[in-house]
Amino acid sequence: ETGVTQTPRHLVMGMTNKKSLKCEQHLGHNVMYWYKQSAKKPLELMFVYNFKEQTENNSVPSRFSPECPNSSHLFLHLHTLQPEDSALYLCASSQGADNSPLHFGNGTRLTVT
Amino acid sequence: GENVEQHPSTLSVQEGDSAVIKCTYSDSASNYFPWYKQELGKRPQLIIDIRSNVGEKKDQRIAVTLNKTAKHFSLHITETQPEDSAVYFCAALTGANNLFFGTGTRLTVIP
Repeated sequence: ETGVTQTPRHLVMGMTNKKSLKCEQHLGHNVMYWYKQSAKKPLELMFVYNFKEQTENNSVPSRFSPECPNSSHLFLHLHTLQPEDSALYLCASSQGADNSPLHFGNGTRLTVT
Repeated sequence: GENVEQHPSTLSVQEGDSAVIKCTYSDSASNYFPWYKQELGKRPQLIIDIRSNVGEKKDQRIAVTLNKTAKHFSLHITETQPEDSAVYFCAALTGANNLFFGTGTRLTVIP
């Protein structure tokens, strides 16, 4: 049990599909994040939510749409993706206080065909 | 925004030898520097961190050093073991409380 649970673990979707990634944290944290991990690239920060309010949108294309209904759940809605969007999408949470570490989920491996 | 550079991208060492990974950052307001280890097919996990008010921290075989003036920090692993083989990421927390990662170092410990 990682404390941060992501579903699904693997997802294959066509470019015209609409799908959603789900993240749930059981750690009582206040801040949740979406990161994208591609081969040979750093972990790219996508979105940050602090107490359900989006505090960071790191120039992410609009085909990625986040949703944070409460401080324990985070979604990433996907539509009309491109093959280059294939990557591992990692959710993380933190306490939100200065210098609090991130706890990652196991990620969703997304393949866009 | 913050720019974190990490070197080397790959590192191979003999079991028992030491490994050193170096990172630099650009935002002088960054004040927290964690290191994550990611094994194949698994999530990144925090292994050690250092805050800007100290220059060095050690936890058994792992140590981190921080030079705020030069804006660089390093991970040192001594007496390496095969299970240390993984990808290691450095990161820097900005003043806006966002964590930016380096590109990762693939460490291979040869038995």
